[in-house]
Amino acid sequence: NAGVMQNPRHLVRRRGQEARLRCSPMKGHSHVYWYRQLPEEGLKFMVYLQKENIIDESGMPKERFSAEFPKEGPSILRIQQVVRGDSAAYFCASSREPSGTGLSGEQFFGPGTRLTVL
Amino acid sequence: AQSVSQHNHHVILSEAASLELGCNYSYGGTVNLFWYVQYPGQHLQLLLKYFSGDPLVKGIKGFEAEFIKSKFSFNLRKPSVQWSDTAEYFCAVILNSNSGYALNFGKGTSLLVTP
Repeated sequence: NAGVMQNPRHLVRRRGQEARLRCSPMKGHSHVYWYRQLPEEGLKFMVYLQKENIIDESGMPKERFSAEFPKEGPSILRIQQVVRGDSAAYFCASSREPSGTGLSGEQFFGPGTRLTVL
Repeated sequence: AQSVSQHNHHVILSEAASLELGCNYSYGGTVNLFWYVQYPGQHLQLLLKYFSGDPLVKGIKGFEAEFIKSKFSFNLRKPSVQWSDTAEYFCAVILNSNSGYALNFGKGTSLLVTP
């Protein structure tokens, strides 16, 4: 049973380039969550998606960041015109059922993508 | 703003020592509580979780945590650590709010167990 897959594991970009991070959820999981971990910080929620729908993007920076989870294929986190402050580890998690208070949708995490912006 | 605090950033213990890692959250509503572990080079894995019921929760690998509502705490414990417990430990909370599914993480505690 494959777990949550993320690729690439390491991504180096120069300032102004685009970064595309991919996340394939576990089989049977239709809920995807993206988190970002800045150096010396805990993981911070960015966005929650279900197939073809963005449910909550309250943790996403207002500009340059977007996410999608198409009907077919992986979820994509896209960062346009990257800046040095975007350097971080980006983690994806998936769940079979919605997570939430009183709900048992355990989030399973991928290995993360470490983005370095030069 | 709601937050999750982990008091110890780095902990060094000898094998067989007892472990307690502190976690406090600042939120007055309903919460779900979690401890995740990240072994070197591996994914985040769930150690244990609390949703309701018995406030003493038992997880994998001999870990347990106690939810004390009056103290807003969810401390992680293990009576006797092993070298293989060397890892990063994260406390996390899901709040009963608009984002009632987003895990709010503490900054993590790095545990080193020496032989």
